[in-house]
Amino acid sequence: SAVISQKPSRDICQRGTSLTIQCQVDSQVTMMFWYRQQPGQSLTLIATANQGSEATYESGFVIDKFPISRPNLTFSTLTVSNMSPEDSSIYLCSVVLPGQTYEQYFGPGTRLTVT
Amino acid sequence: GESVGLHLPTLSVQEGDNSIINCAYSNSASDYFIWYKQESGKGPQFIIDIRSNMDKRQGQRVTVLLNKTVKHLSLQIAATQPGDSAVYFCAENIGDSSYKLIFGSGTRLLVRP
Repeated sequence: SAVISQKPSRDICQRGTSLTIQCQVDSQVTMMFWYRQQPGQSLTLIATANQGSEATYESGFVIDKFPISRPNLTFSTLTVSNMSPEDSSIYLCSVVLPGQTYEQYFGPGTRLTVT
Repeated sequence: GESVGLHLPTLSVQEGDNSIINCAYSNSASDYFIWYKQESGKGPQFIIDIRSNMDKRQGQRVTVLLNKTVKHLSLQIAATQPGDSAVYFCAENIGDSSYKLIFGSGTRLLVRP
């Protein structure tokens, strides 16, 4: 397995501002993903964070709203831009380890509330 | 407390009984399935997985059953304990090389003492 940390663990932000969430892994990983989990809902994939290149976004998510960086094999950031109350969610990063199949390990999540 | 699971279907079982959590998946091309457990305030935790070339796989106190004919997945938990109380999600990989998982809607398991 892997130890995955996220910062911040939670935040309360005002609408119109932006928040950058960090995901740090204790070992090099093959794949990194970012998910959103709205209150009482399941997980929805936002994008695949590609090392050294632009992230691959899922339908309904765009780079201008959710810019993602992945400068190396152990770290990624997700920014939630120009926030509105509808962005209030838990944001989770996940990783696939080298040699694994499709099993993903998740960070603890960042709980975002937009007022 | 956290809001995960507030609006999800709930299964309530007596401590010591067996639990069965069901999941329907949509893509007949999916070839890999995972069950995750999510406790309040935490990220999902891997429980057990199964490939499409199998119909049953057992772990410690858990069994996953796969019925490809009706695209149905179930998680059986034996001798359910209070620590099993959580939200459970199934997830599928659609068989491409993207490693992406599609998550089901989830079930909240409550264990009565």
